[in-house]
Amino acid sequence: NAGVMQNPRHLVRRRGQEARLRCSPMKGHSHVYWYRQLPEEGLKFMVYLQKENIIDESGMPKERFSAEFPKEGPSILRIQQVVRGDSAAYFCASSPLLGAGANVLTFGAGSRLTVL
Amino acid sequence: AQSVTQLDSQVPVFEEAPVELRCNYSSSVSVYLFWYVQYPNQGLQLLLKYLSGSTLVKGINGFEAEFNKSQTSFHLRKPSVHISDTAEYFCAVSPATGGSNYKLTFGKGTLLTVNP
Repeated sequence: NAGVMQNPRHLVRRRGQEARLRCSPMKGHSHVYWYRQLPEEGLKFMVYLQKENIIDESGMPKERFSAEFPKEGPSILRIQQVVRGDSAAYFCASSPLLGAGANVLTFGAGSRLTVL
Repeated sequence: AQSVTQLDSQVPVFEEAPVELRCNYSSSVSVYLFWYVQYPNQGLQLLLKYLSGSTLVKGINGFEAEFNKSQTSFHLRKPSVHISDTAEYFCAVSPATGGSNYKLTFGKGTLLTVNP
């Protein structure tokens, strides 16, 4: 049973380019979350998606960042016109259908974005 | 809002020695508590979690943690570490009420290095 799959694992972009990070959730999981880890910081929540729906994007920067989870295919985190401050590790997590009680997230290995 | 403080950024120990990784949190609501471990080039793996009930929680690989509500702490312990325990350890909390228990707040991590 493959875990949460993220690619690319490492991505280098020049300032002004676009970055696309992909995430395939665990089999049977229908909820996807993106977190960002800036240097010397803990992981911070960005966005929560279900298939074709953004449920909570309260942690997303207001500009240049977008996320989607289409009916078919992986979830995509897109960063337009990247700047050096976007250099970070981006982690995707997934969980099964929410029920009562705690929601335990399974994380991927992360995608490390470096902006030159 | 919640915050998590991991008091030690690095903890070096010798093999077979005991170890304690400290975690303190603050929150205005009741919380769920988690420890995740990240081995080099891998994703975050859940070590253990506290949701309710007994304050002493046992996890994988011989780790345990104790929830102390009065001291708002959730320290991670292992009586005898192995070289293979070398990794980064993250403490995290999420709100137990309000429907946003997918929003984990992470500490900055503690790098545990086990030396022979």
